[in-house]
Amino acid sequence: GQNIDQPTEMTATEGAIVQINCTYQTSGFNGLFWYQQHAGEAPTFLSYNVLDGLEEKGRFSSFLSRSKGYSYLLLKELQMKDSASYLCAVLDSNYQLIWGAGTKLIIKP
Amino acid sequence: DVKVTQSSRYLVKRTGEKVFLECVQDMDHENMFWYRQDPGLGLRLIYFSYDVKMKEKGDIPEGYSVSREKKERFSLILESASTNQTSMYLCASARDREPYEQYFGPGTRLTVT
Repeated sequence: GQNIDQPTEMTATEGAIVQINCTYQTSGFNGLFWYQQHAGEAPTFLSYNVLDGLEEKGRFSSFLSRSKGYSYLLLKELQMKDSASYLCAVLDSNYQLIWGAGTKLIIKP
Repeated sequence: DVKVTQSSRYLVKRTGEKVFLECVQDMDHENMFWYRQDPGLGLRLIYFSYDVKMKEKGDIPEGYSVSREKKERFSLILESASTNQTSMYLCASARDREPYEQYFGPGTRLTVT
């Protein structure tokens, strides 16, 4: 079966760095997405990785290792507004998105 | 600015009612999707459409149907609403080429009593 695992909840301090991990087992791979979802709102796109390595976009970076079935989202200089759920999703061989359950990130002052 | 809109943010319906949820996108995207999202579960795909008048079942199509008469509009229909269909419903659209990024509407929180 297809499976995406990510931690249910994480807590971090304002100004710090946090890494949210995602491991996946899917039928085929055509890319990995990270989305941010604030409570009561729709998910918004953060990043897309299709090749191994690190993609940096401002305070957010995303890493992919296809051989290990592993990705992480790195958030630097955390701000209170970063409190949200972070969803990992993999595009499988049929170009369908398989979603993880999301990681709720709590930022404390 | 890309935009996906949904007909209602909040909806309360009675058991057995027929419910229509509408989604419109203005990005000329080929693909459109309907998901439901429940606490502790990932987004679950109900139906998707890759072209006008085309539809494909997702992971949980039972109790739902869809309609796509125009490229920009994708409707989700609950033929006879039940309490276990109380959920957040999210519509999304995507272009049919890399990076296949999905753009989401604001969601409809449906309560069936």
